[in-house]
Amino acid sequence: EPEVTQTPSHQVTQMGQEVILRCVPISNHLYFYWYRQILGQKVEFLVSFYNNEISEKSEIFDDQFSVERPDGSNFTLKIRSTKLEDSAMYFCASRVNTQYFGPGTRLTVL
Amino acid sequence: QQPVQSPQAVILREGEDAVINCSSSKALYSVHWYRQKHGEAPVFLMILLKGGEQKGHEKISASFNEKKQQSSLYLTASQLSYSGTYFCGTQTGGGSNYKLTFGKGTLLTVNP
Repeated sequence: EPEVTQTPSHQVTQMGQEVILRCVPISNHLYFYWYRQILGQKVEFLVSFYNNEISEKSEIFDDQFSVERPDGSNFTLKIRSTKLEDSAMYFCASRVNTQYFGPGTRLTVL
Repeated sequence: QQPVQSPQAVILREGEDAVINCSSSKALYSVHWYRQKHGEAPVFLMILLKGGEQKGHEKISASFNEKKQQSSLYLTASQLSYSGTYFCGTQTGGGSNYKLTFGKGTLLTVNP
């Protein structure tokens, strides 16, 4: 069964460093998403992406965040200058109708 | 605006039943239910579309009352494997305006 994949599974970085989280959505899906989940809290929407552009972003998704689909398969989330409060699980998701989540990347900012 | 889930937590003994509710103040296109185990990604359970349909997945079923913008997830004869946090996701907007907003989750613990 096709699935969304994410790399790395765990990323540790120093505050102020840039990180890029990578996702490979399911191949025939057209809509892509990034979500964040701080430990013990709910899944929070960050951004949606369709037709090579952002279709919606939340207030969490400020100028430090960017997304890109650099080729036909990858979908990336970049955080330019990480802060301690960026520590969370980041989930990528894709859909046609049903939205499927990737396994997540645990980001730890020290 | 996020949907409201209730209860926040449920503790069951194996074999008991539970109901988890999800309500929204916005008109909904659909309701999605996910289960998340600790440290893992949410796993899709089922989607309910407008029309008040009811669906089932093994001993887990759900209903959607579009007039009340409410959905309920029914877990019958619970198993240990049902333990986890259940999230409802409410869809507002269609096509490129599609947005899925998650509730805070209901932590279900099934004990032997």
